Amino acid sequence: EIVLTQSPGTLSLSPGERATLSCRASQSVDSSYLAWYQQKPGQAPRLLIYGTSSRATGIPDRFSGSGSGTDFTLTISRLEPEDFAVYYCQQYGSSPLTFGGGTKVEIK
Amino acid sequence: QVQLVESGGGVVQPGGSLRLSCAASGFTFTTYGMHWVRQAPGKGLEWVAFIRYDGANKYYADSVKGRFTISRDNSKSTLYLQMNSLRAEDTAVYYCAKGSGSYYKYFFDYWGQGTLVTVSS
Repeated sequence: EIVLTQSPGTLSLSPGERATLSCRASQSVDSSYLAWYQQKPGQAPRLLIYGTSSRATGIPDRFSGSGSGTDFTLTISRLEPEDFAVYYCQQYGSSPLTFGGGTKVEIK
Repeated sequence: QVQLVESGGGVVQPGGSLRLSCAASGFTFTTYGMHWVRQAPGKGLEWVAFIRYDGANKYYADSVKGRFTISRDNSKSTLYLQMNSLRAEDTAVYYCAKGSGSYYKYFFDYWGQGTLVTVSS
């Protein structure tokens, strides 16, 4: 099983700042099958990024994904008030499908 | 637009059973694999089970294997999760999620709002 470790656990930033979230895999993720989801309190997760760097439909271009192998990054270029949430990475290249533990982006 | 609406959650005693349903609309249900994902209170996401577009293949997390059964009725565009021998650690919000393709190794492009299952005496 591929274990995904997200860091930091919590990121305290102000609106307008840049957020950099890390997702590290215990072994290489096949074909860059890495996705990112955003979850706000009381809501279901929402797909942001798939295939490491492709934005889902309707996702603004301030969200970007990068990485390969075992190291992946989600970057939010300038935080908007609605971006404060929990973010999860997920690998879908190997069985079982697994998620990281999440990074909470909170308002400083 | 894609809609996934879960139902069937509730409070059940340890050792009991529950059946969750997920009614799908807004896409060709018969074309896509479907998943169940759960989230324990205050915790992260855990993939639970998958069923192929035609029901021919099913996969389970080790934590539920032998106790949970995923199924689908393509004539009704509905996904199910039969949960038996429930334990306290199964307490979670259960989400129905649409796979982005027909088979197992795809990301989840749409999610339902979830249904809460509480296992408690």
